[in-house]
Amino acid sequence: QSVLTQPPSVSVVPGQKVTISCSGSSSNIGDNYVSWYQQVPGTAPKLLIYDNNKRPSGIPDRFSGSKSGTSATMGITGLQTGDEADYYCGTWDSSLSAVVFGGGTKLIVL
Amino acid sequence: EVQLVESGGDLVQPGGSLRLACAASGFSISSYWMTWVRQAPGKGLEWVASIKQDGSEIYYVDSVKGRFTISRSNTKNSLYLQMNSLRADDTAVYYCAKDSPVFGIVFVYGLDVWGQGTTVTVSS
Repeated sequence: QSVLTQPPSVSVVPGQKVTISCSGSSSNIGDNYVSWYQQVPGTAPKLLIYDNNKRPSGIPDRFSGSKSGTSATMGITGLQTGDEADYYCGTWDSSLSAVVFGGGTKLIVL
Repeated sequence: EVQLVESGGDLVQPGGSLRLACAASGFSISSYWMTWVRQAPGKGLEWVASIKQDGSEIYYVDSVKGRFTISRSNTKNSLYLQMNSLRADDTAVYYCAKDSPVFGIVFVYGLDVWGQGTTVTVSS
């Protein structure tokens, strides 16, 4: 059971927009920055969003992030088949003194 | 090019030991927290351990405390994970990752560089 809760999967059609939620508590999301990762099966994770809503260099602005209270959300617009992957949220938990990840969300582009 | 390359993964019997290494290039790890993350087959990401720039602060996930030791050599620009008393549930791909540049705060700015991973299989 992960400390951060994500939906196991989401399905969307190409060209549409999707949001992936990440729910936590006051000791993790509520108190610290959230980052998001994309992992294509068989490859290493890739940082998409850091500090709740910032994109590293090279990440297109189709990807966005936000945080409100103890929940965070990542959005992807203009979905492409190449966006099919697993997506994870992560943050520091001040009570556990540990990095915590969500269980991951499998994005299916129909 | 900024790069991390892990090595040392292997098949090991339960109760055995293994030492993973992560060689960095294109940047100096002395300026960053460094972190190990693992992924069991078909499962999600699990943080394992993080170590501060000078090694003075270390954090572990509860399941590996007392069995795993994270360490670093800034002169060799390398990160290590000594794994003892290995169990079947330690079977995973182990990734090293570049973490925070902030001296006193881990996991700021996320994990922006990852290695390709090294596979540890614990089985008799």
